[in-house]
Formats: sequence, structure tokens, C-alpha cells
Amino acid sequence: GAGVSQTPSNKVTEKGKYVELRCDPISGHTALYWYRQSLGQGPEFLIYFQGTGAADDSGLPNDRFFAVRPEGSVSTLKIQRTERGDSAVYLCASSFSSGDTQYFGPGTRLTVL
Amino acid sequence: TQLLEQSPQFLSIQEGENLTVYCNSSSVFSSLQWYRQEPGEGPVLLVTVVTGGEVKKLKRLTFQFGDARKDSSLHITAAQPGDTGLYLCAGRSNSNSGYALNFGKGTSLLVTP
Repeated sequence: GAGVSQTPSNKVTEKGKYVELRCDPISGHTALYWYRQSLGQGPEFLIYFQGTGAADDSGLPNDRFFAVRPEGSVSTLKIQRTERGDSAVYLCASSFSSGDTQYFGPGTRLTVL
Repeated sequence: TQLLEQSPQFLSIQEGENLTVYCNSSSVFSSLQWYRQEPGEGPVLLVTVVTGGEVKKLKRLTFQFGDARKDSSLHITAAQPGDTGLYLCAGRSNSNSGYALNFGKGTSLLVTP
């Protein structure tokens, strides 16, 4: 079956611009997670959804970052006023339910010039 | 934040050699997971260890969870070029929900023919 998909695979933007990153979870998975992986680091948790609601957003670094999952399936991570330090691979994962095995997508590589 | 320290950070060996990588923490985890990540891909779960002292085998890979559930190791026997990748350990974090994963920085393994 189809795994987690993320679009775009690469995004290059300029400092100060707004970007949206999309995640399509595995069909039927109710939990969805966003992580950020900087060069030479392991993934770092950002936010987790159970259904449509953000159950845990304690990893969002500041108020420039926001994520939605309006219908409990696709999720969009939104970054306002991008900074060079936001450059990283943004990974999305989904699981059948909270606490189950997380399956990761290939990530979106964001480069802020 | 519960820190997971992985060592070594980089490892380059020849095909047929054995190796061990380590994941250590000062915190107790209810479980630890090992993932392998290839370039341009998301992490893929290899194993979850739950019980202190537990040993799990996956073909040529042997995973051990420390008695105190603070550390884990991954041993690869007769490494092959296909084992090349980034090996990450992760534990459930003490974030608000408890479902986010806290990753180590990873061990980057290169196996040359």
C-alpha cells in the first residue's frame, strides 16, 4: 500500500517568505507527527495530531510555525517569515493510533536563502 | 529534554567486519526504538525493545536493552554494503503527550566492499 507522502520534495525560498509543506499520511492512520531534521542531527519533534486536533505542539520552536489537519487526514505545516536557520528536512510520520509504530515519509528539504 | 547520546558518530568499516553502536541516556525509558535512515528517505523502524535486559535479533543485527532501561546497543555481524546508513535510537519523550519520539543524533555507518 501507499506510504506517507510529502510534497514538495524540495523547497527553496528566500528569507522572510512564507512556505507550506504538505503531508499525506497512510490511509486510516489517525495520528500524525511532524519532525525537523537538521544536518548531522536526529529528527526533532515539532507537533502531533490525533484526528483533527493538535494534541501536542510543545516542539514548535516559535509562533512562526503553525500546522493544521482540518479533516483528520492531510496536514500542512506552515512557516511564516522564514529564516536561514529554518533550513532543514521536515519529516512527517503517521501511526494507526497514538502510541503505535510511526511510519515516516521521505521528507521535504527546505532551504532558506 | 531526555538526551540520547549515540556513539560512535561515524563508522567506516569493510565488508565482513563486525561492529557495535551504542545509545546511552541518564533517563529511564519505557522502551527504545532503533531506526535506519538512508539518504533522501525517512527513518525506518528496525526494532522496539521494552524489557530491561531484553535481546532481540533481526538476521545479522542484535539489539540489547540495558537492565536499567537507560541504554541500548546494536551489534551487526559480518556487515554488508547494504547495511550502510544512519542508525538512530529513539525513546518516547517526556513531552506533553508522551507520544513524540526523542531521537539521538545517530551513527553514520559506511560499509565498503
